[in-house]
Formats: sequence, structure tokens, C-alpha cells
Amino acid sequence: GESVGLHLPTLSVQEGDNSIINCAYSNSASDYFIWYKQESGKGPQFIIDIRSNMDKRQGQRVTVLLNKTVKHLSLQIAATQPGDSAVYFCAEKKQAGTALIFGKGTTLSVSS
Amino acid sequence: GAVVSQHPSRVICKSGTSVKIECRSLDFQATTMFWYRQFPKQSLMLMATSNEGSKATYEQGVEKDKFLINHASLTLSTLTVTSAHPEDSSFYICSAQMGNSPLHFGNGTRLTVT
Repeated sequence: GESVGLHLPTLSVQEGDNSIINCAYSNSASDYFIWYKQESGKGPQFIIDIRSNMDKRQGQRVTVLLNKTVKHLSLQIAATQPGDSAVYFCAEKKQAGTALIFGKGTTLSVSS
Repeated sequence: GAVVSQHPSRVICKSGTSVKIECRSLDFQATTMFWYRQFPKQSLMLMATSNEGSKATYEQGVEKDKFLINHASLTLSTLTVTSAHPEDSSFYICSAQMGNSPLHFGNGTRLTVT
């Protein structure tokens, strides 16, 4: 079936570096994408979202890029901090009222 | 911000018993609630979609008679795992949505069936 997937299961960076987490999606009908952060034993925490009519959106220290041509989504974290260590999931949905479909997750480890 | 509360956070039960998990939207009315299951080191897998006042829609492979979902009000949905078995041990997470707003997630329930 169609799904959202991530390129790398793990990413290790040094504190202060910029992190880039990638995600490839296969459903061209998806029009809404979200990045979530999940810490151990907790539910997903919303980071940033983007709709299909945009290709870039910035938040505080985070930027999401959407390339619909190649169905690629990325999350950029500036000046990565140890507190950013977690599992990051991208998720997609097709229309209002439908569920989010999650990718496989990337574990980000930040060393100081 | 929107808060989704899930209770209990952890539960241990014996094989063959039933367990009820509650999901509440604390400061908004959730027209739709979703239930996910997450096994260790895996992603969240959608189990069912629940709309207030109507029957839940289950994903393929999820037994509706085993995972009973009730969405009696706009702020409460419950998931009951009936006749639980060790293979049902997992992390169950609910999420709630109002209209087309971003999904907000509860902090999950760790179910261990012995």
C-alpha cells in the first residue's frame, strides 16, 4: 500500500550542528504533511506542518521543505541541541477528517 | 494549546482479561479521534478512526470485536482491548482533531499482558 517512509533510521550529530531529516512519500494525493517528535515513552509532539500549496515553511529553529515533484519532505533543525534527541516521524494525510499515516521514523542522537 | 489526555499511562493485566483506555480532549471538542498502536522501535500504525456518535472505522487487519471503540461524546473516546493476550502488549496512542486542525496526541498507554 501507499506509505510515507524515511531514508535513514538513525542520525548522529554534534551539538550545534544543523540536522536534516528526510522523508519520501508515495501518495501524490496527500496534501498535508506534518513532522512529529517522539521522546521515549511519550506520544508524538507536533513540530511543524506544511500544506501542498507551499514548498517551505519555517518555525523556530526548524524548517520543513516539500518537493512535490519527487515526493520528498525534509526537516531541518538549526543549531541542534541535546534536547532535540528523539525519534522524528513525518506523516501525511489526504483530506480533512482522515487519519495521519506515519513514516518509519529517524532516531536523532545529539552528542555534546 | 490543545491537550489530549490519555489514561492510564501504564497498565499490566493478565491474559484473558479486558482493559479500557480513555482518551479525552481537554480544551476542545474533537469531532474525530484516532487510535494508533506502536510496537517497540516501530512507527505508529493506525487502528481505527472514531467519529462522535457513530461506529468506528477499523483498518484492515484490526479486529473490531477485540478492540472495542466507543466515542460517546465530543471529548471522550475509549478503546477496550478484550480478552487480551501477550501479543496485544504494545503502546496505544490516541489522537484528536477538531475540524481540519493538526492532530494532537495523547501521551500513550503502555499495555503489558502477562
